[in-house]
Amino acid sequence: DTGVSQDPRHKITKRGQNVTFRCDPISEHNRLYWYRQTLGQGPEFLTYFQNEAQLEKSRLLSDRFSAERPKGSFSTLEIQRTEQGDSAMYLCASSSVQGASGNTIYFGEGSWLTVV
Amino acid sequence: AQKITQTQPGMFVQEKEAVTLDCTYDTSDPSYGLFWYKQPSSGEMIFLIYQGSYDQQNATEGRYSLNFQKARKSANLVISASQLGDSAMYFCAMRRPSGGYNKLIFGAGTRLAVHP
Repeated sequence: DTGVSQDPRHKITKRGQNVTFRCDPISEHNRLYWYRQTLGQGPEFLTYFQNEAQLEKSRLLSDRFSAERPKGSFSTLEIQRTEQGDSAMYLCASSSVQGASGNTIYFGEGSWLTVV
Repeated sequence: AQKITQTQPGMFVQEKEAVTLDCTYDTSDPSYGLFWYKQPSSGEMIFLIYQGSYDQQNATEGRYSLNFQKARKSANLVISASQLGDSAMYFCAMRRPSGGYNKLIFGAGTRLAVHP
């Protein structure tokens, strides 16, 4: 399977703990995005990478959130000192620059986070 | 500001019938793209169809077609010959031109239930 993969798929954590999610984009896709989706809502943009450079961060991304994409391949999203309001699904997506597929963003299956 | 509106929280359709899911958008950019994604209960966002603002013809992909009415700023999804597996959340999204990359703004979604 060469789609976007995310790990873990589900995470339950206690308030105050740190969590990290990993995303492996479609190979050769140089653009990578993180979105957050809460129940009953559409996904909201969090941040964007082109290769290893983080080019945009949403105001939704508080200082407890940090995302990295070392070497321009996989990416990690870390949430420090989790709060119950962080409970959501975190979606990773990737796209390429050129060709017809450059119009399309492909999403992974998401990582569900529950903070108790 | 860019905005996507999906006014139908839920829709029901009989198997093998056609259904239209509504989407209106608001943007002042002349160049934009419109997407529809399907999200089953597993969480993955599955790309269905894309329409560019300058495309002369309505996009079609198998049983999916996009009824694009630019003057009315609407981009309704038509699913023909509904199948039980079409039951899912459907999201309309707009690509916001920003620094040359594809940042998507999503609507709140429509839950489609296909009845046998």
